[in-house]
Amino acid sequence: GENVEQHPSTLSVQEGDSAVIKCTYSDSASNYFPWYKQELGKGPQLIIDIRSNVGEKKDQRIAVTLNKTAKHFSLHITETQPEDSAVYFCAASMIKAAGNKLTFGGGTRVLVKP
Amino acid sequence: NAGVTQTPKFRVLKTGQSMTLLCAQDMNHEYMYWYRQDPGMGLRLIHYSVGEGTTAKGEVPDGYNVSRLKKQNFLLGLESAAPSQTSVYFCASSLQEGRLIYEQYFGPGTRLTVT
Repeated sequence: GENVEQHPSTLSVQEGDSAVIKCTYSDSASNYFPWYKQELGKGPQLIIDIRSNVGEKKDQRIAVTLNKTAKHFSLHITETQPEDSAVYFCAASMIKAAGNKLTFGGGTRVLVKP
Repeated sequence: NAGVTQTPKFRVLKTGQSMTLLCAQDMNHEYMYWYRQDPGMGLRLIHYSVGEGTTAKGEVPDGYNVSRLKKQNFLLGLESAAPSQTSVYFCASSLQEGRLIYEQYFGPGTRLTVT
């Protein structure tokens, strides 16, 4: 089955700096890569996703890049703000496979220092 | 819209006791999922359902059973709880029929402690 590894496990940045989280996946058949943000005491919430036919996607201060050949994808947060402090999870899936099941990475705890 | 709701929010069980966690969604989603979240291990899929009356095993199904008798509800049962099942449990739902949206919507979680 699919295996997703995520690094780093913790990340501390100064407000205004950029944060980068990297993930690798094992199954070359995976074609959908979402990123979820989990705030303390809440369930994860989708912040951005990318499909395998796209190399990069941006949404305001966040962007995701995908390298299918190397089987890795990254989340970039620019101009970080205190409200970006949370745990971030990457995931991989095969769209239209039974159940659209997600395999998650282990998570990155991001702390933005004011 | 309440989205995805989970009952209860917290529970403490003794080893060997049983319980059922209830998940409900009001978005008419076809797919529903149960995950467990443990420190450093992300979310791991326990069981999932692609429609009313159907269920399937995920990555870590042992010790759990599920049922989906109604489209809006997905129940997770622990027949004989063990300390290894101490975790935070999340329910999620996705896929509206006819719309190619794959986002999973998560509930607020249930924190379960087995002593």
